[in-house]
Amino acid sequence: QKEVEQNSGPLSVPEGAIASLNCTYSDRVSQSFFWYRQYSGKSPELIMSIYSNGDKEDGRFTAQLNKASQYVSLLIRDSQPSDSATYLCAVNGFSGGYNKLIFGAGTRLAVHP
Amino acid sequence: SAVISQKPSRDICQRGTSLTIQCQVDSQVTMMFWYRQQPGQSLTLIATANQGSEATYESGFVIDKFPISRPNLTFSTLTVSNMSPEDSSIYLCSVVSDSTDTQYFGPGTRLTVL
Repeated sequence: QKEVEQNSGPLSVPEGAIASLNCTYSDRVSQSFFWYRQYSGKSPELIMSIYSNGDKEDGRFTAQLNKASQYVSLLIRDSQPSDSATYLCAVNGFSGGYNKLIFGAGTRLAVHP
Repeated sequence: SAVISQKPSRDICQRGTSLTIQCQVDSQVTMMFWYRQQPGQSLTLIATANQGSEATYESGFVIDKFPISRPNLTFSTLTVSNMSPEDSSIYLCSVVSDSTDTQYFGPGTRLTVL
């Protein structure tokens, strides 16, 4: 079982719609959760972090966390073509003596005009 | 946030040679990581590099193939040794900010091995 799972997509949404990206994780003791955006040919860029159950909003982005269900999601409102990218979910885990991020495989989002 | 630079940004190398990638951070950080990202794939952690100790390698990666140096809190190098075409990938340096506990990525080094 993969530690962090995401649907690889592509998720295709029309411009102006809400894009919903989902992620599940296996380690119940994880405390920190992150969403990174990666444009083709670029390095990952942090867009949201969330640590507590519930919603966290930042502009058009809302991260949602449910630790009981081991589920974290990212909503993008009013999607724009510039949001087209791969979105990586990352969860903290402790192994090998270090606290490190475990990344999902990413969901490719395509926003079409 | 931490500003990270990597050198070189890209390189084309011959089979059997070695390449050293440099990572420079604009602030002191305790934890640095090296990742590999092959085309169309997600990030794979190669090793954790902390100053003052040996790097810790993930399963499938060994020091002889990917030696790492971490001489101080702002700098690290990753060497890809005895390269083969299978080593063609993007190599990313990443750090955790000591003040925000957030992980940031460098711009990456795109390596092609012929």
